[in-house]
Amino acid sequence: GAGVSQSPRYKVAKRGQDVALRCDPISGHVSLFWYQQALGQGPEFLTYFQNEAQLDKSGLPSDRFFAERPEGSVSTLKIQRTQQEDSAVYLCASSLARGNNQPQHFGDGTRLSIL
Amino acid sequence: AQSVAQPEDQVNVAEGNPLTVKCTYSVSGNPYLFWYVQYPNRGLQFLLKYITGDNLVKGSYGFEAEFNKSQTSFHLKKPSALVSDSALYFCAVRDGGDDKIIFGKGTRLHILP
Repeated sequence: GAGVSQSPRYKVAKRGQDVALRCDPISGHVSLFWYQQALGQGPEFLTYFQNEAQLDKSGLPSDRFFAERPEGSVSTLKIQRTQQEDSAVYLCASSLARGNNQPQHFGDGTRLSIL
Repeated sequence: AQSVAQPEDQVNVAEGNPLTVKCTYSVSGNPYLFWYVQYPNRGLQFLLKYITGDNLVKGSYGFEAEFNKSQTSFHLKKPSALVSDSALYFCAVRDGGDDKIIFGKGTRLHILP
């Protein structure tokens, strides 16, 4: 497709379960970002990839959060032993190349609800 | 560390009137500034950016923003508001030496018919 695709759009899990969220960036986009958006808040940076390399993971809130992009295209954000505070919308964004003037193109997000 | 402030949670404007959504920022290096818009249950859409050059930046859907270095502001403006402009607007900043973008908390814009 033409845009960033995220799946699933909605995910409900019980506390303690593991979840995996997928992001398909725009074809050819080198940079990929994950954000967490809590209700009524702006997106907060989680992690950043350039191709398959994870260059910044300073925003991951705990070691339960793990992201990968093994072939430099599709990325997966995994959350282990989910907690209620993990409930949020998880946004993925991609940009054409590394560079400070490149706008990021966002997917529609995955809304995660932990019961 | 960089930060962004959007002092207004909500802005109400009558259709046809000019609108302004405020944003101030703090960075240690050169600022790269962005505005995004978010509609319900959707991701963010890029509106415009300031990197360097002319302080007045024009973007999508008739929006523009003015970079003011002395006031560290980057307010979003539109001369004549449309009801369809009603949405959540985010200001964002990237420090020149960094890759990640820091977003403000957002301002909900209501255009009243």
